[in-house]
Amino acid sequence: EVVLTQSPATLSLSPGERATLSCRASQSVSSHLAWYQQKPGQAPRLLIYDASNRATGIPARFSGSGSGTDFTLTISSLEPEDFAVYYCQQRSNGRTFGQGTKVDIK
Amino acid sequence: EVQLVESGGGLVQPGGSLRLSCAASGFTFSNYWMNWVRQAPGKGLEWVANIRQHGSEKDYVDSVKGRFTIARDNAKNSLYLQMNSLRAEDTAVYYCVRDAGGWFVDWGQGTLVAVSS
Repeated sequence: EVVLTQSPATLSLSPGERATLSCRASQSVSSHLAWYQQKPGQAPRLLIYDASNRATGIPARFSGSGSGTDFTLTISSLEPEDFAVYYCQQRSNGRTFGQGTKVDIK
Repeated sequence: EVQLVESGGGLVQPGGSLRLSCAASGFTFSNYWMNWVRQAPGKGLEWVANIRQHGSEKDYVDSVKGRFTIARDNAKNSLYLQMNSLRAEDTAVYYCVRDAGGWFVDWGQGTLVAVSS
């Protein structure tokens, strides 16, 4: 099983700041990694797939990078609606999620 | 517009059974892999099971193998999850999810399964 470890667990930032979230895989997943956003009481939403491709309708302030075992989700300038929990997910070997990073308001 | 509507959740005793259903619309159901993903209260996401377009291939997370069965009826645009021998740790919101290339592109609103005596 591929284990995905996200860091930090919580990121406290202010609107307008840059957010950098990390996801590390226990073995190489090539570029087979996605990022999701989940707000309270809502289902998750796909943001990024294949490590760096934005899903339909996702704003350009969201970007993904990385390959192999180390991946990053960057939000260039936080909007009020971006405060949420973010999960990474791999599809290289089965399907697993990271434990999530909560981005909250400082 | 893609719609995925889950039903069948509820309160069940440990060892009991429950069958979840998902009604799909807004896309050609038979063209897509489908999944169940769950989320325990206050916890993260866990992939549970998936099924190939015509049901010939299925896979499960280890913790539900032998207890849960995923199925689909393409004529009815419906996905199912039969859950037997339920345990307290199966308590979660269960989401029906459309898969595109291994990515979870569309999600239902979820149905809550609570396992408790």
